[in-house]
Amino acid sequence: DAGVIQSPRHEVTEMGQEVTLRCKPISGHDYLFWYRQTMMRGLELLIYFNNNVPIDDSGMPEDRFSAKMPNASFSTLKIQPSEPRDSAVYFCASSLGGLAMESRKETQYFGPGTRLLVL
Amino acid sequence: AQSVSQHNHHVILSEAASLELGCNYSYGGTVNLFWYVQYPGQHLQLLLKYFSGDPLVKGIKGFEAEFIKSKFSFNLRKPSVQWSDTAEYFCAVSPYNQGGKLIFGQGTELSVKP
Repeated sequence: DAGVIQSPRHEVTEMGQEVTLRCKPISGHDYLFWYRQTMMRGLELLIYFNNNVPIDDSGMPEDRFSAKMPNASFSTLKIQPSEPRDSAVYFCASSLGGLAMESRKETQYFGPGTRLLVL
Repeated sequence: AQSVSQHNHHVILSEAASLELGCNYSYGGTVNLFWYVQYPGQHLQLLLKYFSGDPLVKGIKGFEAEFIKSKFSFNLRKPSVQWSDTAEYFCAVSPYNQGGKLIFGQGTELSVKP
């Protein structure tokens, strides 16, 4: 398997512009997670989906952030409008299962991340 | 609030030295425990994990970790580090009833001098 795929790998944009980050999870995985990594706050969970449905978005910083998962093989994280403080590395991860006894043993596999710089 | 605390922000060792990175978590229920490693410029990779059974877990590249439930700790160890172990190490906890989401520590940067 190709693993979790993210695009773009690097994004430089100006404040106020819309930014869309993309993620393709590992085929067959039913959980998808979006994380943000910054020097100040470390790794934070933003939102996660189960079977394409958002389960917990309490980590989404504010209304400028939105995430969708239109099908099992694709998710987007959108920032509109972007601000310099959004500069970070955004990781997508996927896993198989999460609550059932057997699926407790599954772990998350991370993509290579998107390095975002907002000027 | 649930949290994970890694005691050391930056550790500098010489090759062949022994390593122990501390990790403590605050959560009263059942958890799964993980250590991830992030090599410079790369994404997170799973180093080892604990779900149940023997509290001493062995992972890749000679790393091991010990779960001490009474201390809410999951410290990472390696008897002899190599220059190639230079990376950032993240401890993470997955509370059983929260859909598999991970709560990460702040990370420990390990620099190994050749």
